[in-house]
Amino acid sequence: GNSVTQMEGPVTLSEEAFLTINCTYTATGYPSLFWYVQYPGEGLQLLLKATKADDKGSNKGFEATYRKETTSFHLEKGSVQVSDSAVYFCARSNDYKLSFGAGTTVTVRA
Amino acid sequence: NAGVMQNPRHLVRRRGQEARLRCSPMKGHSHVYWYRQLPEEGLKFMVYLQKENIIDESGMPKERFSAEFPKEGPSILRIQQVVRGDSAAYFCASSPTGRPNEGYYGYTFGSGTRLTVV
Repeated sequence: GNSVTQMEGPVTLSEEAFLTINCTYTATGYPSLFWYVQYPGEGLQLLLKATKADDKGSNKGFEATYRKETTSFHLEKGSVQVSDSAVYFCARSNDYKLSFGAGTTVTVRA
Repeated sequence: NAGVMQNPRHLVRRRGQEARLRCSPMKGHSHVYWYRQLPEEGLKFMVYLQKENIIDESGMPKERFSAEFPKEGPSILRIQQVVRGDSAAYFCASSPTGRPNEGYYGYTFGSGTRLTVV
């Protein structure tokens, strides 16, 4: 099936620490890959995306590279801030549908 | 340019009542998608609608759930005779085309309706 597996949380970090959230996907077809962020009480916002192998998506200091050989799309940020505290979802596309991972809760402490 | 508007933000229903969730897509978007987020889980696709048409309802439970997107007005997700297991966050998304995963625009999600069945 079209599934996405991401690192379980919760993850707690100090400000300016390095963040990585692992994500792997099933290699059916040629999906686009996404990271969405959900701040408390809000809907999902697109953080970044990549549409083909070796593409790197980046936004707000976050990066993720579409790795076809390892079927991965790990999210990284070199120096997190308290405002990055949120739930992060990895997702892959299947035509018009998105398949989401279970989400990783990240808490950044000052 | 308002985003995707969902209301109500929070909805409490007793078991056996009906829940009606509303979604107004972004201006210019004629494609609407409903997703459900159960506690501690990611979002799961429910249904894809265009104006007056259901395109794909493969993620909808077979009973008690229905969705519509009339020619005028918002899209409605209707849950009849709610049970405690229906408690979840229901998100609506819209897109200008039927292929939101291509190109720049993609999906725009609303803030969701959090349904609690007591």
